[in-house]
Amino acid sequence: DTAVSQTPKYLVTQMGNDKSIKCEQNLGHDTMYWYKQDSKKFLKIMFSYNNKELIINETVPNRFSPKSPDKAHLNLHINSLELGDSAVYFCASSQDPGRVNTEAFFGQGTRLTVV
Amino acid sequence: GENVEQHPSTLSVQEGDSAVIKCTYSDSASNYFPWYKQELGKRPQLIIDIRSNVGEKKDQRIAVTLNKTAKHFSLHITETQPEDSAVYFCAAASGGGADGLTFGKGTHLIIQP
Repeated sequence: DTAVSQTPKYLVTQMGNDKSIKCEQNLGHDTMYWYKQDSKKFLKIMFSYNNKELIINETVPNRFSPKSPDKAHLNLHINSLELGDSAVYFCASSQDPGRVNTEAFFGQGTRLTVV
Repeated sequence: GENVEQHPSTLSVQEGDSAVIKCTYSDSASNYFPWYKQELGKRPQLIIDIRSNVGEKKDQRIAVTLNKTAKHFSLHITETQPEDSAVYFCAAASGGGADGLTFGKGTHLIIQP
């Protein structure tokens, strides 16, 4: 009974392609995120989203876009993939009532390899 | 924005000894400081967190201390065991989920048998 699940687990694709990664959480959380973990294991926030606002990290290229069909899902779309996009992408969610941070639960990650 | 520095990048200790990992943050508005453990090929998982109204928190062999004035916080693991081997990340956040977590660069903890 996975709390945060993302698919696929592995994704190998050619440069220039467009791809999507799906994420679902069954925790009833209000806020979902996408993080990127590079080859040096550095974890960096890309997006945070709840039903009221989308916060985009200014360093994220506009080829990346989050799409939320409903509160339990936050998918990541990537256009015109580049070699430098190769990384592990983690979806996460948290419940942050009244602007108070709580534990973020992570999905199992999607290892994206661009060739 | 927030900047979190973490040291050391690699830490090797003998089984049974203690391990200490240190982090500093830059944004005085940060008020939530979690620590995550990531085993090879797995997802990051929370092991302990502390809020800015508390100076120390302990959970069995794990403790975290926070010095708001100096803007630094530390993770202490006592009586280390082989299963403690992993990458540990500190993080900082403020004001609810909107900005997400700002992570340190991680510490690879190696427990020598």
